[in-house]
Amino acid sequence: AQTVTQSQPEMSVQEAETVTLSCTYDTSESDYYLFWYKQPPSRQMILVIRQEAYKQQNATENRFSVNFQKAAKSFSLKISDSQLGDAAMYFCAYRATQGGSEKLVFGKGMKLTVNP
Amino acid sequence: GAGVSQSPSNKVTEKGKDVELRCDPISGHTALYWYRQRLGQGLEFLIYFQGNSAPDKSGLPSDRFSAERTGESVSTLTIQRTQQEDSAVYLCASSPYLNTEAFFGQGTRLTVV
Repeated sequence: AQTVTQSQPEMSVQEAETVTLSCTYDTSESDYYLFWYKQPPSRQMILVIRQEAYKQQNATENRFSVNFQKAAKSFSLKISDSQLGDAAMYFCAYRATQGGSEKLVFGKGMKLTVNP
Repeated sequence: GAGVSQSPSNKVTEKGKDVELRCDPISGHTALYWYRQRLGQGLEFLIYFQGNSAPDKSGLPSDRFSAERTGESVSTLTIQRTQQEDSAVYLCASSPYLNTEAFFGQGTRLTVV
């Protein structure tokens, strides 16, 4: 079964600084998608960034970028120029076709605090 | 509507009662997920619907939990004989096509007293 591991339960960063959130996953599939979701206190899950496994180029969305290492099964999120609004829970997620069922599997999440 | 809608937003129920939670997915989305999120925890997969295929029920924690979806429309998650450990936020998500991101509702916070 696929698993997603976020080993750091909490991190903090100073406003305007850069922070990297780590994620590793385990799969035997060759084709899959990886996601980072953000969950602020409002509890609304918001997609931050998405990476297709067949693409070698790392995805980037404004201040958010990923370091995707397929061989190492690593998918870290870098937040540049951190803002107070970035404070939230961050979840790494994996999705692939498994026996006809596309399970979206989440890590346990990491709480990011942004200090002014 | 523009997004995934869940109702009620909050539900307080007495232990032993049955509850029904509702999810309205985004129109045209074929896939629908239910997750449970206990306080301060991650998302626990419950069930997945994809079009008219048989649902993946592998995450349902006990036979007190069941879910239905008619075609590509509304889904209901039913919890029978609720227990205090059922207290959590129940999140619903829908997805339009294979291998795209899921869009989440704001969840139903269930409190069993």
